[in-house]
Amino acid sequence: GDSVTQMEGPVTLSEEAFLTINCTYTATGYPSLFWYVQYPGEGLQLLLKATKADDKGSNKGFEATYRKETTSFHLEKGSVQVSDSAVYFCALSRTGNQFYFGTGTSLTVIP
Amino acid sequence: KAGVTQTPRYLIKTRGQQVTLSCSPISGHRSVSWYQQTPGQGLQFLFEYFSETQRNKGNFPGRFSGRQFSNSRSEMNVSTLELGDSALYLCASSSAQGRGGTDTQYFGPGTRLTVL
Repeated sequence: GDSVTQMEGPVTLSEEAFLTINCTYTATGYPSLFWYVQYPGEGLQLLLKATKADDKGSNKGFEATYRKETTSFHLEKGSVQVSDSAVYFCALSRTGNQFYFGTGTSLTVIP
Repeated sequence: KAGVTQTPRYLIKTRGQQVTLSCSPISGHRSVSWYQQTPGQGLQFLFEYFSETQRNKGNFPGRFSGRQFSNSRSEMNVSTLELGDSALYLCASSSAQGRGGTDTQYFGPGTRLTVL
């Protein structure tokens, strides 16, 4: 069945460091891929998405490229800030509104 | 536009009781999905409603049920609560009709359920 595997956390980085959070997926057909972010005590917020192969989603300095050949959708940011500290979830949706989420990666950015 | 709202935000129940959680989607959104979030299992899909009909269902026992009203508001019910039902229950709404899996879901803040 459909599934998402993402990098285990927690991840701790210094401010202005480069961030990569790995995400790979298993799905038949052509899923849409998403990154969501969850701040403490809040629900999930959409960070970015890509709906077809080679699409690049980007928002707030974060980027991810839909790579069908490697079934990956890695999240990157060139220079993280303390305010980026949160839990990041990779997700896919293939049919309708049924989403499959990864287990989440906790990021802490220290000044 | 107001976001997805969920009530109550926090609930404490005892084993064997039942509970009803409520979700109001973003105005104009007709699809509402429910998820259970726990530290051990992560985010797991419960079910999705569209136009008052359950359209998708995850792999949860029949104790978990839901419904959607004509104004798109949704409720989920858990009967005969177990300790393992303690979790954050998230509701998400989307505007489109589920074509091709490209619909973006917008999440509420969740209801934190604790079962003692």
